[in-house]
Amino acid sequence: LAKTTQPISMDSYEGQEVNITCSHNNIATNDYITWYQQFPSQGPRFIIQGYKTKVTNEVASLFIPADRKSSTLSLPRVSLSDTAVYYCLVGPFYNQGGKLIFGQGTELSVKP
Amino acid sequence: DVKVTQSSRYLVKRTGEKVFLECVQDMDHENMFWYRQDPGLGLRLIYFSYDVKMKEKGDIPEGYSVSREKKERFSLILESASTNQTSMYLCASSLSPREAGDHTGELFFGEGSRLTVL
Repeated sequence: LAKTTQPISMDSYEGQEVNITCSHNNIATNDYITWYQQFPSQGPRFIIQGYKTKVTNEVASLFIPADRKSSTLSLPRVSLSDTAVYYCLVGPFYNQGGKLIFGQGTELSVKP
Repeated sequence: DVKVTQSSRYLVKRTGEKVFLECVQDMDHENMFWYRQDPGLGLRLIYFSYDVKMKEKGDIPEGYSVSREKKERFSLILESASTNQTSMYLCASSLSPREAGDHTGELFFGEGSRLTVL
């Protein structure tokens, strides 16, 4: 199973762009990269998923280099409400076999 | 929107009690999962199910069992609660490849059940 490494915590200010990088050196050919967001006392919420290059939705962008050994979640113009823990996961598309592993995540703190 | 509902947000039980945590999803998903979340350990998979009456052990099944009698409901059972089972329990559901079509492979989580065992 591909293990991921991401910073334990990050600080930012409102209006800034935040980039959270995740390393996954032993990603498998059929693995996807998925990011989740978790607020206190709530379950994680899906943000974005990709396989290669760049994926963008209304919430975030996901940048994946050609070697796929890392990925970067980009949050444009963060607000206080983006304060949360962000998890990077690598694994099968539908979590078949429960193979997705949630690590400790990155605790993002957005300040006024 | 998909809704995953966990029956209790907060529970306090005593050591040795039998505990039932219920989870219901309203989107007819085949896959359902039970995780526990503890500080510094992330989310760890306890059990999962990919069909009615089917179950598979996750990474930490000891001390737990599950039941899936209907597609929409997945129950986690602590046969004899212990203090080291004090935790946040999270239920999730997802489509299976057979169901998914153009959808992403995302997990939909409930709000969690915080269990304290005294």
